Amino acid sequence: DARVTQTPRHKVTEMGQEVTMRCQPILGHNTVFWYRQTMMQGLELLAYFRNRAPLDDSGMPKDRFSAEMPDATLATLKIQPSEPRDSAVYFCASGPGGNPYEQYFGPGTRLTVT
Amino acid sequence: AQSVTQLDSQVPVFEEAPVELRCNYSSSVSVYLFWYVQYPNQGLQLLLKYLSGSTLVKGINGFEAEFNKSQTSFHLRKPSVHISDTAEYFCAVRTNDYKLSFGAGTTVTVRA
Repeated sequence: DARVTQTPRHKVTEMGQEVTMRCQPILGHNTVFWYRQTMMQGLELLAYFRNRAPLDDSGMPKDRFSAEMPDATLATLKIQPSEPRDSAVYFCASGPGGNPYEQYFGPGTRLTVT
Repeated sequence: AQSVTQLDSQVPVFEEAPVELRCNYSSSVSVYLFWYVQYPNQGLQLLLKYLSGSTLVKGINGFEAEFNKSQTSFHLRKPSVHISDTAEYFCAVRTNDYKLSFGAGTTVTVRA
C-alpha cells in the first residue's frame, strides 16, 4: 500500500529554532506539494515541485521558509528561524505526473512553536 | 479568481440517516472539482472527482456528488452514514494546471 510518509509527526520547538520537516513521496510520483493547515486560514499551498524542480513557492514566506527536493525520494521544508505563528499542521502530498489533480496526502507534521 | 464556498461548517447527523454537504464554486477555467475527507489526525484522502463527462460522480465509501453547472454547485451526498464517516470534508476546485483551492471544510459528526 503506497503512501506518502512524513517525519516527524509532531514537533515542539522554541521560537528562533530551525525546523526541518521531511516527506517521502509515493514512488513514481513526480509532483510534490507542501500545504499548511490552520484553523484560521484553512489549507494553504506553500510550494509545488514537478520533477524535483520548484515551480511555485508563492505561498511561502521567503524570508524564513525554504523547500527543496534533494532527490526523488525526499522533499524537505525548513523554517529558520521559527516563530509562534508558524504553529500549524504541515502536509506533504504527491501526485503522478500524468494526472496532477490526483494528490495523495501524507499524515502531516504538527508543529508547535513556543 | 477561483474559489470554493462550503455552506455548512458543521453537520450533525444520526447514524443511518442521509447527509448532504453543500459546495459552491467559482472558476474561470475548465472546472475540475474534488471532495476530500480528513479523518482525525490524518491527511486528506480523495473521495471523488469531477473532471468531465457524467455529472453524477461516485466515489469511495458510498459517497457521490453531482456537478451542476448552472448552479455552480458540487454537493456531496451519502444515503446512509456510519459512525466511521465522522470526519472533516473539503471541497476543492482547480485554479490552474496544478493548484487546488480548498473550501473551509465541513465537519460531519455522526451520532448513534
